[in-house]
Amino acid sequence: DSGVTQTPKHLITATGQRVTLRCSPRSGDLSVYWYQQSLDQGLQFLIHYYNGEERAKGNILERFSAQQFPDLHSELNLSSLELGDSALYFCASSVAWDNEQFFGPGTRLTVL
Amino acid sequence: AQSVTQLDSHVSVSEGTPVLLRCNYSSSYSPSLFWYVQHPNKGLQLLLKYTSAATLVKGINGFEAEFKKSETSFHLTKPSAHMSDAAEYFCVVRYTGGFKTIFGAGTRLFVKA
Repeated sequence: DSGVTQTPKHLITATGQRVTLRCSPRSGDLSVYWYQQSLDQGLQFLIHYYNGEERAKGNILERFSAQQFPDLHSELNLSSLELGDSALYFCASSVAWDNEQFFGPGTRLTVL
Repeated sequence: AQSVTQLDSHVSVSEGTPVLLRCNYSSSYSPSLFWYVQHPNKGLQLLLKYTSAATLVKGINGFEAEFKKSETSFHLTKPSAHMSDAAEYFCVVRYTGGFKTIFGAGTRLFVKA
């Protein structure tokens, strides 16, 4: 158990819908990262927040957005969902940007 | 462009034989390098990390990796494979001054009895 929690574990929804994925980092970690893992794209970095501020963006679509709240939990919002958004979404946390990241168990999103 | 290449998509070894998983990264003056393992239907677990200290890094479960700047490589090794090592392994690079994390495509390790 890494100490990073993600909810929900599984999510099934329809095209065009909007969903919110939630992540609670390890106690004391200020950095939160979001990743998407799919069979065709592999593991892709989406976005990084540090203490409530966005620090880096990776391959994140405009339909996706994230935020980190004052209690340091983070949410990833996915809207206008497409079939290709079906993937495993991981959250990770670390103390600082260059420390090792601890990964949550992931949220499996299925878009039908 | 910053990148990381895992040279083998699949590696198959027999139990008890050595493991070598290869990783090359694009050159940078101070990368941080990591190896992660992902077992089926599980999250990623850190095996080891290199952050400009000793070039030979020891990790968990008997794995180690050597940072070779001249070859821009960070290969993962284990002297003797165990059935429980069967998983997917990711080489990860982070560059000083940037905040992006770059994952390799992954190497799936198969261990035969």
